Amino acid sequence: GQQVMQIPQYQHVQEGEDFTTYCNSSTTLSNIQWYKQRPGGHPVFLIQLVKSGEVKKQKRLTFQFGEAKKNSSLHITATQTTDVGTYFCAGPGETSGSRLTFGEGTQLTVNP
Amino acid sequence: GAVVSQHPSWVICKSGTSVKIECRSLDFQATTMFWYRQFPKQSLMLMATSNEGSKATYEQGVEKDKFLINHASLTLSTLTVTSAHPEDSSFYICSASRSSSSYNSPLHFGNGTRLTVT
Repeated sequence: GQQVMQIPQYQHVQEGEDFTTYCNSSTTLSNIQWYKQRPGGHPVFLIQLVKSGEVKKQKRLTFQFGEAKKNSSLHITATQTTDVGTYFCAGPGETSGSRLTFGEGTQLTVNP
Repeated sequence: GAVVSQHPSWVICKSGTSVKIECRSLDFQATTMFWYRQFPKQSLMLMATSNEGSKATYEQGVEKDKFLINHASLTLSTLTVTSAHPEDSSFYICSASRSSSSYNSPLHFGNGTRLTVT
């Protein structure tokens, strides 16, 4: 079945440093979604990318969808303590009715 | 934005009892809702897809008689953990999509229910 892998599993940064998490799927995705889960909280939708090679920005966050639609990345510029949490990528396969498969997540901690 | 409400937020129960968790979409109709389970520091595991007016679709390895799902209306789905045991202790989260094409659309998650079975 479809597998979605994320690296790294954990990332510790100093406030102000940049952060990147990478997402790779074993199959081609119809779209890629990113979610953020704060400690003790629930996942919150951040963004959806649909087109091959698409790049979207949300303030300090930059999201990319690979040309082959099998990988994606999330880059945070100049991290802040409010960025702390676990970032999940998720994507359905291109087959009709494919379920959303979540990656294992990257847990980000930011030291002030 | 869309709001999904989940209740209760946490519950402690004795082994052998049943627990019901409610998931409501507050400002939109959800023909499909999804139930996830999450262990500490792990990803979200899809348990089942709840379909309004029909039987839920369970993922492989999830016992349908153990985790009863009822989608009584377009705004309410319930998950009942029957005869709970300590190994059922986990974080259960429901989600719903505004779109009828739920499999491709972004999900709105409830706050989750932390179940502890003693």
